[in-house]
Amino acid sequence: GAVVSQHPSWVICKSGTSVKIECRSLDFQATTMFWYRQFPKQSLMLMATSNEGSKATYEQGVEKDKFLINHASLTLSTLTVTSAHPEDSSFYICSAAHTSGGRGYTFGSGTRLTVV
Amino acid sequence: DQQVKQNSPSLSVQEGRISILNCDYTNSMFDYFLWYKKYPAEGPTFLISISSIKDKNEDGRFTVFLNKSAKHLSLHIVPSQPGDSAVYFCAARGNAGNMLTFGGGTRLMVKP
Repeated sequence: GAVVSQHPSWVICKSGTSVKIECRSLDFQATTMFWYRQFPKQSLMLMATSNEGSKATYEQGVEKDKFLINHASLTLSTLTVTSAHPEDSSFYICSAAHTSGGRGYTFGSGTRLTVV
Repeated sequence: DQQVKQNSPSLSVQEGRISILNCDYTNSMFDYFLWYKKYPAEGPTFLISISSIKDKNEDGRFTVFLNKSAKHLSLHIVPSQPGDSAVYFCAARGNAGNMLTFGGGTRLMVKP
């Protein structure tokens, strides 16, 4: 089956530093990847849609200069949280779409980011 | 504007009984609906989906019902097992693209 690998699974960083999260589709090509953010006991909120070879599309309220997304290949998308602050602490999840239908959305295992 | 809502934040069910999780939506342009199961600190795992042209889809212990006129869908789990305890999210896809809109989730607890 389709597998999406997300790395790292957890990271602690100091305020002001940048953190890169990788999302890889292991056995399929993902022309579109999605980045979500989940606050404790809340739903998954779509941050941006990442298309291979083009600029990401950000949802309203998401700062594109703070959350840099790069989708340079059909198997890799990265999210970089720049100049991280404690309020950026959250659970970030990527998802890749590879076919139409329910099983066409495969999620990564998530990254727990804690900014201290 | 929450386009997908799960009004019950939690549900407790006895093992062996039926679990019914509900989801309401407002956008009539959604063409596909999905249910995901999620454990803490893990990504969601796909459970079952249904196209807007159908009213029922069944897969083992899981059945999803869609009532388009009421803009309501539900997930039935029968019989419920302790291993089903998790947070369940319903999600909807708009026909304009591949993005999913998630409900707020319902925490299911199945007691042995």
